[in-house]
Amino acid sequence: KAGVTQTPRYLIKTRGQQVTLSCSPISGHRSVSWYQQTPGQGLQFLFEYFSETQRNKGNFPGRFSGRQFSNSRSEMNVSTLELGDSALYLCASSSGQGAGNTIYFGEGSWLTVV
Amino acid sequence: DQQVKQNSPSLSVQEGRISILNCDYTNSMFDYFLWYKKYPAEGPTFLISISSIKDKNEDGRFTVFLNKSAKHLSLHIVPSQPGDSAVYFCAASARGGSNYKLTFGKGTLLTVNP
Repeated sequence: KAGVTQTPRYLIKTRGQQVTLSCSPISGHRSVSWYQQTPGQGLQFLFEYFSETQRNKGNFPGRFSGRQFSNSRSEMNVSTLELGDSALYLCASSSGQGAGNTIYFGEGSWLTVV
Repeated sequence: DQQVKQNSPSLSVQEGRISILNCDYTNSMFDYFLWYKKYPAEGPTFLISISSIKDKNEDGRFTVFLNKSAKHLSLHIVPSQPGDSAVYFCAASARGGSNYKLTFGKGTLLTVNP
């Protein structure tokens, strides 16, 4: 069974630009969530989608957005990039139903903003 | 306010000995707890989880203990191996609508010396 796949793995952007990251969940998983990892803040929850609807949202500014498609694939977008957005962006998937779901992570997309 | 705390940023043990990683939480709504292992430049890998209805869960060399009254959990690795050297994250999720959002601790770097 293929794991969570994220693309691209590495990218460099300039301040003010926007970026779109893509995630394909584990087959059969309907919940996709996104996390940001930085050295100072650790792993922080961005948002979670289930059946194309945003179900949970973390404390990030509106520049961070996402969406989920009917095949459960998800994208996240960051507009007007700032230097502080440089981080590892992790996508995770789970079945999304019932209590105590295990969440599985992809390898991440390393974003560097210069 | 950190709801999940891993107070030891690092831990060093000898190969073959026991590694004990600790985690404290403050949110009484948390009812599912997970441990992840992370190597640099990779996504977190799920290790083991425990529901709040249990106080112990074992999987091979890994055992997680939960003390709900103390809001404390620990991960025991016996025997420790050099390949276990990584950052270990404790994570928690709450019942209800936030069931699919994980709150992470800041991680503990485990080094297992040969």
